[in-house]
Amino acid sequence: KQEVTQIPAALSVPEGENLVLNCSFTDSAIYNLQWFRQDPGKGLTSLLLIQSSQREQTSGRLNASLDKSSGRSTLYIAASQPGDSATYLCAVRHSGYALNFGKGTSLLVTP
Amino acid sequence: DAGVIQSPRHEVTEMGQEVTLRCKLISGHNSLFWYRQTMMRGLELLIYFNNNVPIDDSGMPEDRFSAKMPNASFSTLKIQPSEPRDSAVYFCASSYFTTGMNTEAFFGQGTRLTVV
Repeated sequence: KQEVTQIPAALSVPEGENLVLNCSFTDSAIYNLQWFRQDPGKGLTSLLLIQSSQREQTSGRLNASLDKSSGRSTLYIAASQPGDSATYLCAVRHSGYALNFGKGTSLLVTP
Repeated sequence: DAGVIQSPRHEVTEMGQEVTLRCKLISGHNSLFWYRQTMMRGLELLIYFNNNVPIDDSGMPEDRFSAKMPNASFSTLKIQPSEPRDSAVYFCASSYFTTGMNTEAFFGQGTRLTVV
């Protein structure tokens, strides 16, 4: 069974810092990987989708990379803002199967 | 498109009662997922449909849980009888999947279920 691990579990940084969230998975035969954001009491918002053939995706201040061979993905957030405070979830998908989630990284950006 | 729509947003029920959660997929999507989220266990897959067919129901806790897709755009998750340990947030998500193509999954806002 695919295991997805996110490190760290929680992170607190001052506003303006660049930061990296990590995601690792045990089975490298993935179809794609998706990063989500979840605000307290809310649903999941899709941030970035990386197909297995891609190495990275960018959206605004967010950049996600994928290294299938090592079973790792990183989410880079540039110039963090208090509004970035949320839980960030990584999920991997094998062909024809459902998304398998990590436990998330809880991010707090302080003013 | 309004996105994935779940109803109700909140449900409080007494132990032993039947609970039905509803989900409307994004138009054009053919994959439907039901997840449950708790503090202790995080997000757990309950069941996954593709083209109205259940592909993976290994996460359905027990026979008290059942899920259906009566048509391509709508799904229900039923719990009968409900128990306090079923209290959680239930999410529905949809995407488009076919051989060679797999789009982003989009989630609904969830149903917060409390069984007392």
